Amino acid sequence: QKEVEQNSGPLSVPEGAIASLNCTYSDRGSQSFFWYRQYSGKSPELIMFIYSNGDKEDGRFTAQLNKASQYVSLLIRDSQPSDSATYLCAVNGEVYSGGGADGLTFGKGTHLIIQP
Amino acid sequence: DVKVTQSSRYLVKRTGEKVFLECVQDMDHENMFWYRQDPGLGLRLIYFSYDVKMKEKGDIPEGYSVSREKKERFSLILESASTNQTSMYLCASRFDRDRRVEAFFGQGTRLTVV
Repeated sequence: QKEVEQNSGPLSVPEGAIASLNCTYSDRGSQSFFWYRQYSGKSPELIMFIYSNGDKEDGRFTAQLNKASQYVSLLIRDSQPSDSATYLCAVNGEVYSGGGADGLTFGKGTHLIIQP
Repeated sequence: DVKVTQSSRYLVKRTGEKVFLECVQDMDHENMFWYRQDPGLGLRLIYFSYDVKMKEKGDIPEGYSVSREKKERFSLILESASTNQTSMYLCASRFDRDRRVEAFFGQGTRLTVV
């Protein structure tokens, strides 16, 4: 059984600061890693994905992956009140030879609050 | 701009009824998924499909079945609804190849079984 662990929070961060969200996973064979944002009462929305060790930046978001430590994180720079949401880490396993994809295993999410 | 559409936003069904949840995507994605989301348990994968007529069990398939007769449509079937299937059901589609990803969820169906 694949597991993805996140601190449930709430994580409270002042506006303008860097929010750091962390995730660990159990399946060493995991190949791709995703961060979703979910506002209350809404569906999850993909904001970042990463495949290779190191950092990947997109605007104010940076995803960091360390496969040796089975650790993935999301940094949000210049945090805004609109960033207040639950952030879900998700992990993909094997890719089928037919080009299909395994279903994602999600963590339970970290509730982030940006304080104005 | 709608990409993944679920047929109902809210449903109330009786115990023992057969329930159909429909999902349609307009992005020509091969992969489609059904999840349920419950407080404290997070998102859990029920079934997924990587091609027409292909299906794979996820983590919690018991009490559910699926159908994918056309690429754009993925249906979740509750064979005999029970109260423990009261939940938010989320359909998703995803393209994930050559390090290019498109992924979208539908708006969700909140199912109550009474």
